[in-house]
Amino acid sequence: GAVVSQHPSWVICKSGTSVKIECRSLDFQATTMFWYRQFPKQSLMLMATSNEGSKATYEQGVEKDKFLINHASLTLSTLTVTSAHPEDSSFYICSAPEVERGESDTQYFGPGTRLTVL
Amino acid sequence: GQNIDQPTEMTATEGAIVQINCTYQTSGFNGLFWYQQHAGEAPTFLSYNVLDGLEEKGRFSSFLSRSKGYSYLLLKELQMKDSASYLCAGMDSNYQLIWGAGTKLIIKP
Repeated sequence: GAVVSQHPSWVICKSGTSVKIECRSLDFQATTMFWYRQFPKQSLMLMATSNEGSKATYEQGVEKDKFLINHASLTLSTLTVTSAHPEDSSFYICSAPEVERGESDTQYFGPGTRLTVL
Repeated sequence: GQNIDQPTEMTATEGAIVQINCTYQTSGFNGLFWYQQHAGEAPTFLSYNVLDGLEEKGRFSSFLSRSKGYSYLLLKELQMKDSASYLCAGMDSNYQLIWGAGTKLIIKP
């Protein structure tokens, strides 16, 4: 089946630095990818929708200048957390829908990236 | 390899009970999650099990057997709004989530 990967799995960084997280669809093309943030034992919070070839769509309350999204190709979206602070420490998850002709989308989720900002 | 298996689709009747099964194989184990996802929305957290047994939360219960690599989500007194996809996800020793493909639950009146 379709697989979505994320890199890195873990990242620890100092406050003030920027961190880039990659989301890749491994055997299908995704014109749209979704970025979520998850706190322990809580629901996934949609941060933004990444669109290939155009600007990302951010959810209300998410700072687009802080969370930069680039959907460079049909298989890769990146989330860059700029000037990270300890409150940005979280589990970031991406997903990509595989659109099959005549059928509804199937969402595939990445394994997540655990970010710790010191 | 790591794998999560759950049925693709299930159908149940309003007011009835349904059990959605999930079997998992992960490298190490740090718990199993169940989420509900309505079309076009982000997944909503339902439960997290890391110890064997049944955890009840209102109409929803989740069960885990670590020795069998098995979990189920039990939904009671089904309502039409329970029609959704239910995702099972295991967390491995690196705290990475291994996702099932989701079970589409269809509730009929």
